[in-house]
Formats: sequence, structure tokens, C-alpha cells
Amino acid sequence: DAGVIQSPRHEVTEMGQEVTLRCKPISGHDYLFWYRQTMMRGLELLIYFNNNVPIDDSGMPEDRFSAKMPNASFSTLKIQPSEPRDSAVYFCASSRGPLAEQYFGPGTRLTVT
Amino acid sequence: QQPVQSPQAVILREGEDAVINCSSSKALYSVHWYRQKHGEAPVFLMILLKGGEQKGHEKISASFNEKKQQSSLYLTASQLSYSGTYFCGTLLRAVYSGGGADGLTFGKGTHLIIQP
Repeated sequence: DAGVIQSPRHEVTEMGQEVTLRCKPISGHDYLFWYRQTMMRGLELLIYFNNNVPIDDSGMPEDRFSAKMPNASFSTLKIQPSEPRDSAVYFCASSRGPLAEQYFGPGTRLTVT
Repeated sequence: QQPVQSPQAVILREGEDAVINCSSSKALYSVHWYRQKHGEAPVFLMILLKGGEQKGHEKISASFNEKKQQSSLYLTASQLSYSGTYFCGTLLRAVYSGGGADGLTFGKGTHLIIQP
């Protein structure tokens, strides 16, 4: 299997622009997680899906953030409008269940200037 | 409720042992350990579910004391490849057993540096 695929790997954008991050989970995994990692806050869970349905979005920092999972093989995390404080590495992970190993994608390094 | 990890950082010589602790103020259902190397994604090490449970793989093992709401990761005879940041992720018993959200909350990590 190819593992979890994320794109783009790096994104540099200006404040106020819309940013869309993409994730393809491992086939057969029914859980998908979006995390944000910064030096100050560590690894934070933003939102996760079970069978394409959002289960908990309490980690989404504000309304500028939204996530969708239109089918079992694709998810997006959108930031609109982006701000410098959104600069971080965003990871997508998938698993076969809440108590199963999570496989992380390589991450998207987002820089908002 | 973010778990607390200690120490924040540790520097060892190759061959020395290390212990990394993870504690919570709330009752835990499970503890998950991951390792992340610089510039890479976190990689799964192990999950502990039951009180007093211990697991191990070669020279890395862990214990989970649910009464004390804490877990410890043991690295024996450390190798250079063990360097990285270790994270524990926790699932609260009240949340999981009550049918609530089952996403992990990760600690801030323990930075482990192994020197030759």
C-alpha cells in the first residue's frame, strides 16, 4: 500500500488567501484524522471522521477552518482566510479504528506570510 | 485534557537506558505511544489498554497503570536510531466508555537524543 498521501507537501501563501490541504487515506481504513503541529502547542487533533462522517470537530480553532470527506478515499482541510498564526505542519492520519495504529501522512508544511 | 510528559528532554549515551513518563489527571482508557524523527511524521510504537498491561518490542517496552493514570515507556540499551521525540496519546475512560468522541489527545512530547 502507498500509505497516507498528502498534498501539497509545502504551501506558502499570503495572509487572506484560501488554502486547501488534501489527504488520501489508506484503503480500508474507516477513521481519518487531521492534526496540526507547532512548537508551541505540539500535536493537536483538529477533526476526525468515521466512515466519512465528521465525529468531533471541537479541535478546529475557528470558523475559518473547515474539513470535508466526500468519499472514503479523499478528504480536504480548508482555511479561508488564512492568517500567519495558521503556519504549522498539518498531518493527516488514518486507522482501522479508534484503538488501532494511526498511520500518518508526510504532512503539509504551511507558511502564511 | 492534555497528558503531561516527563522529562521534556533527555540526552543519553548509546547503550544507556531511558524512561519516559506520561500522566493524566483523568482516568484513562488507553495510552498510545508514537515516535517522531525530525522532519518526519509520527510513527506508531504501541497501544496499552488494560491496567497493569505491559508490552514490548525488542528493547522498547511500556507499562500502563490505570489506577495511577499513568504510563511509562522504557528504552533499554538505547541505540542511535532511538533518537527523536516521543509522544503519548491518551483516550479518556469517561469519554470512550460513555460513547463519546474517541480521538486521541497527545502530550507535548519528550525529546530524546542519543549520542555515540
